[in-house]
Amino acid sequence: DVKVTQSSRYLVKRTGEKVFLECVQDMDHENMFWYRQDPGLGLRLIYFSYDVKMKEKGDIPEGYSVSREKKERFSLILESASTNQTSMYLCASRLSTGETGELFFGEGSRLTVL
Amino acid sequence: SQQGEEDPQALSIQEGENATMNCSYKTSINNLQWYRQNSGRGLVHLILIRSNEREKHSGRLRVTLDTSKKSSSLLITASRAADTASYFCAPGGTGRRALTFGSGTRLQVQP
Repeated sequence: DVKVTQSSRYLVKRTGEKVFLECVQDMDHENMFWYRQDPGLGLRLIYFSYDVKMKEKGDIPEGYSVSREKKERFSLILESASTNQTSMYLCASRLSTGETGELFFGEGSRLTVL
Repeated sequence: SQQGEEDPQALSIQEGENATMNCSYKTSINNLQWYRQNSGRGLVHLILIRSNEREKHSGRLRVTLDTSKKSSSLLITASRAADTASYFCAPGGTGRRALTFGSGTRLQVQP
């Protein structure tokens, strides 16, 4: 069965801390994505990656960075966490095909920044 | 990237009734996908309909697509309490385009 695993389901961090959210997929997918989800705002795309060491900004990249050193792992980094980054973070992956195909999501990481 | 807009924002029905959710989008697409999200969990892919298809079925799900009106609908027949979730549409384009999502339709099925 395909699987996207996010390292932490719940995290509590303090303002100014550096936060790493890890995502691993076991499907040999080329494309990986990070979204955040907030009530009333839906899912918003933060960053995505087409392949190893490649990254593209999504709609709300400010305050975030990403790392994709290996195909199966895509990390989201909050260099200095702020309270407005309290949110649910969702990682997803998919095969790279000629059309925009099915996304496989992780279970989400709920981050609270105090 | 473009996102779909789901309507209504919330829907409450009784078990056994049908639930219909709508999606509108703005630019041309190659396909449109529907996803489901149980509270506090990740999204799960339900069905993909291509731009040259008008209707597609999967179990109790029926999806229609009208590219001239840039709209799609998701029908869940004979709903169950376990169908309670949020439902999202995602218009898809060429392979490198990222999918984006709106706020979804929150479906509540009362037992």
